[in-house]
Amino acid sequence: GAGVSQSPRYKVAKRGQDVALRCDPISGHVSLFWYQQALGQGPEFLTYFQNEAQLDKSGLPSDRFFAERPEGSVSTLKIQRTQQEDSAVYLCASSLSNRGRVYGYTFGSGTRLTVV
Amino acid sequence: AQSVTQLDSQVPVFEEAPVELRCNYSSSVSVYLFWYVQYPNQGLQLLLKYLSGSTLVKGINGFEAEFNKSQTSFHLRKPSVHISDTAEYFCAVSGGQGAQKLVFGQGTRLTINP
Repeated sequence: GAGVSQSPRYKVAKRGQDVALRCDPISGHVSLFWYQQALGQGPEFLTYFQNEAQLDKSGLPSDRFFAERPEGSVSTLKIQRTQQEDSAVYLCASSLSNRGRVYGYTFGSGTRLTVV
Repeated sequence: AQSVTQLDSQVPVFEEAPVELRCNYSSSVSVYLFWYVQYPNQGLQLLLKYLSGSTLVKGINGFEAEFNKSQTSFHLRKPSVHISDTAEYFCAVSGGQGAQKLVFGQGTRLTINP
């Protein structure tokens, strides 16, 4: 597609519920990132994929967070047993090469997760 | 590790006035620096980036930024703002061997008053 597509656009989850957030990167983009943006804050890095390999997951806040990209294209961020502190906008970004900081990243519009 | 400090959480200015959004970074290695803009309910859009070379970088929508290594700053400027520039602006840094992730500042909300 023309851009990075994220779905759903909005998600309301009851505390304790599991959620899955989807990211469709630009076709052919090698690198894929997930960021978490709390209200009034800058985005914070969660995890990074190069093709299907998860090369960095140092930003995942707990073992309730899990990300995958099994075929090197679409990625899913899963949050188990959601807590109120998980409420945030989850941003996905992709890049054509593994030198994204040189060639640039394209961000999706994000999924706004609200845990009630 | 890198960190970014945006010194102003909010900046109100009048239309057609100049603006400067301040950004300071901390890093033990050479860095790449970025400014992104976020309009309401949208993702981040790249304004400009500094990789190497000339310290004055020009971006889209009339914005420019100057890299100052001695002061570890990368301030964003525009000589004359428009109502349409109202948005959240984020400074970000990336650095270190193989490090692809961006470290963002807290953001500066730019509000343009008519």
